Order: sequence, then structure tokens, then C-alpha cells
Amino acid sequence: AQSVTQLDSQVPVFEEAPVELRCNYSSSVSVYLFWYVQYPNQGLQLLLKYLSGSTLVKGINGFEAEFNKSQTSFHLRKPSVHISDTAEYFCAVKGAGSYQLTFGKGTKLSVIP
Amino acid sequence: KAGVTQTPRYLIKTRGQQVTLSCSPISGHRSVSWYQQTPGQGLQFLFEYFSETQRNKGNFPGRFSGRQFSNSRSEMNVSTLELGDSALYLCASSIASGQPYEQYFGPGTRLTVT
Repeated sequence: AQSVTQLDSQVPVFEEAPVELRCNYSSSVSVYLFWYVQYPNQGLQLLLKYLSGSTLVKGINGFEAEFNKSQTSFHLRKPSVHISDTAEYFCAVKGAGSYQLTFGKGTKLSVIP
Repeated sequence: KAGVTQTPRYLIKTRGQQVTLSCSPISGHRSVSWYQQTPGQGLQFLFEYFSETQRNKGNFPGRFSGRQFSNSRSEMNVSTLELGDSALYLCASSIASGQPYEQYFGPGTRLTVT
């Protein structure tokens, strides 16, 4: 079984400042990792995914994440946030051979003008 | 290409009633997964269907059931509704099952049980 821990439930940050949203996972098998974003009253949109290969993954809207196997982490970063980045962000893991995504509890990012 | 659609978007039901939610996947997608999202429990996997067969089921009581039709459209049913079933129900589709294919989510159906 897999589990995901998002260490911060809320992250306030000023506009144009950098941000890092933390995610740690636990699994006994190899994993695939994902970050999703959810805007109010909407479904989830995939930001980026790590399947294999380069540990630095670039996604949409200027976000990137780094897979660190030794620390079992997959932190999401953006060098300069915009007001429109205000949303809830979910880290998710899928174990090799598994059919389902396991999500973290989410991190609410609030960008302050 | 049209995205994942879910109907209805909002629903209010009374305890003890049953409800059916519908999900139409992206054209060509054969896998449909359902998730329940609540403030307390977050996003939890309900079940996945692929080629009209349930491939996996989450830890939910038997009151939660689903099915998939030959055109890949899926429905989920909740019988004998409880207050705790109030949630956003999300449907996600992907091309296939069992591999890390990207899942595309619909906007969800918000169910309120009174």
C-alpha cells in the first residue's frame, strides 16, 4: 500500500515570491508520482508527473518538482508565483501495478498581492 | 476534444434515499475511476472500471456501487444515503488501466444529504 503526506495544509506567499509545497510518500514498491491542482468548484488538473528518468520534472504554469528517492519526497516548486496560482494542490502516488491513485490531504496556496 | 463530463453538477437528497451519478469519459478513454472528496478525509478512491469490469475497489461499504457501459460511460450509485455521504464525487478517465496513464478529472458532482 502507498501513503502520501503533505506537510503543510496552508501556505501563504506574496506575489512574485518563490514557493515550495512539500510532499513525502511511503511505498514498498516503485512508484509513479503526480501533482494536481484544484481551483474552487472545479475538478483536478494535472500539473506534472514523474514516471521514470530525470528526477527533475517540469510541468504546466511554470511549476517543477524533484523526485528524491532516498528521502521519499516529491516537492513542488515555482520560482515566482502569481495571484492566479491561488488554489489547492494535491500530491498523489500510484504504486507499480496498482490501479488507484492515493492522494495527500492537499495544500492550500494563497498568493497575497 | 471534449473533457470528462459529470451530471448532475449539484444534487440534494434526503437520508435513506438513493442516488445515481453519471460520468462520460473523454472519447477513446476506456478506464473510469471514481473518487470521493470531503474536507475531513480528503480524496478517497471508490472504484475503477475498465471495459465494463470493475478492476479495483476502495474501502467503502457495499452501499456504494458502480457500473460501466459498452460506450465507457459510467454510473455510480449510493443507496440508503447517510449524512456522511455528503461530498464532491469526482470521476476521472484515462486511456487504459493498470499503468500510469494520465487521469483526466471531471468537474465533479456535489452531493448534499439532509
